[in-house]
Amino acid sequence: DIQLTQSPSFLSASVADRVTITCRASQDISNYLAWYQQKPGKAPKLLIYAASTLQNGVPSRFSGSGSGTEFTLTISGLQPEDFATYYCQQLNTYPLTFGGGTKVEIK
Amino acid sequence: QVQLVQSGAEVKKPGASVKVSCKASGYTSPNYGISWVRQAPGQGLEWMGWISAYNGNTKYTEKLQGRVTMTTDKSTSTAYLELRSLRSDDTATYYCARYESGCSGGICHIKWFDPWGQGTLVTVSS
Repeated sequence: DIQLTQSPSFLSASVADRVTITCRASQDISNYLAWYQQKPGKAPKLLIYAASTLQNGVPSRFSGSGSGTEFTLTISGLQPEDFATYYCQQLNTYPLTFGGGTKVEIK
Repeated sequence: QVQLVQSGAEVKKPGASVKVSCKASGYTSPNYGISWVRQAPGQGLEWMGWISAYNGNTKYTEKLQGRVTMTTDKSTSTAYLELRSLRSDDTATYYCARYESGCSGGICHIKWFDPWGQGTLVTVSS
């Protein structure tokens, strides 16, 4: 199975900060990577797919980049509603797998 | 708007089966399918499998092969997840999610999961 390692697993930041989360894949997954945001007690929400394509309706402060084995999710100007857990997901190879998550908390 | 509404929480004994439903509304294209993902309490996300709305084909994670069945009822736009021989480590919130796939050079990939249902908590306890 393809392992996705997210770093950091926990991040403390302030409103307006620029935040970067990394997702490393154990094998080349081309650009078949998505990012999701999950708030406590809620279902995940799609932010980015194909590594860098912003889903309709998602604020432009979210951006994604990378290909192959290394990917990043950047939030440029953290907002109060962005405090949540973020997951990457690879869609290149079965079984589809998720990273362990990065919890973004208020400093 | 596109919406997936799941059935309510379940409490089951070890060895029993559970069937969770996921009713879709707001879209009709057969280009989408339904995937199922579960999340144990305080843990990460685990993909379980998918079912194509186009032809009913399924793909399951090997880990659950033999215990899981995914079906759809086109007449009611409802997808179902059945999990049998339940164990305590099956305790989780189960989510359905719509997916879209695309093909290039004869190889197809799922592009994304969006939206997701609200989740169904399944508790397995004696």
